[in-house]
Amino acid sequence: AQSVSQHNHHVILSEAASLELGCNYSYGGTVNLFWYVQYPGQHLQLLLKYFSGDPLVKGIKGFEAEFIKSKFSFNLRKPSVQWSDTAEYFCAVNVENTDKLIFGTGTRLQVFP
Amino acid sequence: NAGVTQTPKFRILKIGQSMTLQCTQDMNHNYMYWYRQDPGMGLKLIYYSVGAGITDKGEVPNGYNVSRSTTEDFPLRLELAAPSQTSVYFCASSYPRDSPLNTEAFFGQGTRLTVV
Repeated sequence: AQSVSQHNHHVILSEAASLELGCNYSYGGTVNLFWYVQYPGQHLQLLLKYFSGDPLVKGIKGFEAEFIKSKFSFNLRKPSVQWSDTAEYFCAVNVENTDKLIFGTGTRLQVFP
Repeated sequence: NAGVTQTPKFRILKIGQSMTLQCTQDMNHNYMYWYRQDPGMGLKLIYYSVGAGITDKGEVPNGYNVSRSTTEDFPLRLELAAPSQTSVYFCASSYPRDSPLNTEAFFGQGTRLTVV
């Protein structure tokens, strides 16, 4: 069955540190990939997405992600985090020939000043 | 443009009671989804719909029912509430995966449900 794995459950960083959050999925076909962010008490908002083309995608607020098909991965990165990046981050996958949008378990990021 | 609207925002139910969580979208999206979010578990898909009159089970459908009589509305029904259904529920909508209009799934603000 289609699944999404986020191995970092809780990440604690100081401001200006670099961030990389892992995301792996289990399907070998064509995929649409997403990273969503959920700020405390709010609903999910799209950070960035990959449908096709350049595997390095840039999103809002300085985030980027790289799709590596051979590794079934779509890791999220940011060179320098800010206190305002404190939130929960979710990776999601939408696979061809299925109508489901499946989410990972999320990574809670805490950034301290 | 309201996007995806969920009501109510909060609700406390007693065990065995029933209720309907409402979800409406005004973006003319074909696809609609219901998720539940539990700490450390991420979002689990309960039910989804690819259009009016069509619904299908997701990862955790037990204890829930849905209907999709119109494009706009996708209510989620809990018939006999149980403590295990205490969660935050999110509704989302999107265009089909391979539609040129598809950009992302849009989420409602969530419904926090407590069953006591």
